[in-house]
Amino acid sequence: GENVEQHPSTLSVQEGDSAVIKCTYSDSASNYFPWYKQELGKGPQLIIDIRSNVGEKKDQRIAVTLNKTAKHFSLHITETQPEDSAVYFCAPAWTQGGSEKLVFGKGTKLTVNP
Amino acid sequence: DAGVTQSPTHLIKTRGQQVTLRCSPISGHKSVSWYQQVLGQGPQFIFQYYEKEERGRGNFPDRFSARQFPNYSSELNVNALLLGDSALYLCASSFGLAKNIQYFGAGTRLSVL
Repeated sequence: GENVEQHPSTLSVQEGDSAVIKCTYSDSASNYFPWYKQELGKGPQLIIDIRSNVGEKKDQRIAVTLNKTAKHFSLHITETQPEDSAVYFCAPAWTQGGSEKLVFGKGTKLTVNP
Repeated sequence: DAGVTQSPTHLIKTRGQQVTLRCSPISGHKSVSWYQQVLGQGPQFIFQYYEKEERGRGNFPDRFSARQFPNYSSELNVNALLLGDSALYLCASSFGLAKNIQYFGAGTRLSVL
């Protein structure tokens, strides 16, 4: 079955520092790797995603790196700000019968201290 | 543009009751997926519907059912509620069946007493 592990479960950084969250997955057939941010009382919001034919993708302060051989991908946030405080989820996609479902990790609670 | 909308936002039920949750996808999106998020955990896949047909199902009992309407909106039904069904139920819409970004609504918070 699908197995997704995300580390660390909590992360506290000072404003301006970098934060890195790692995700490992079990299904080598996965080819879509999104990261979602969830703030209190809201649904998950996509912040960045990567497909298996790309090793790295960057969008301003956020980047995702993918190592398909090792079956892990990471979220990198630079120059963190207090508004980055939230729970972050990796959610590699599994394809079954033509449909695609996201399998979420347990989340990382990021706290950015001013 | 309106995002994914879900109703109601909060719901309180007692054990054994039945509940219906509603979702309206982003305009133009044809696929709706349902996820259950228990407090402190990541969302867990329940169903995916595309063009009114069930196209994927997660590891949930038959008490959970869903349907999609011609306008692509969807309902999730849960029968014979258990205390363990208390969770945030999330709806996500995407343009197609696969290889499309899934956009989530704010969810319905269900409490079973």
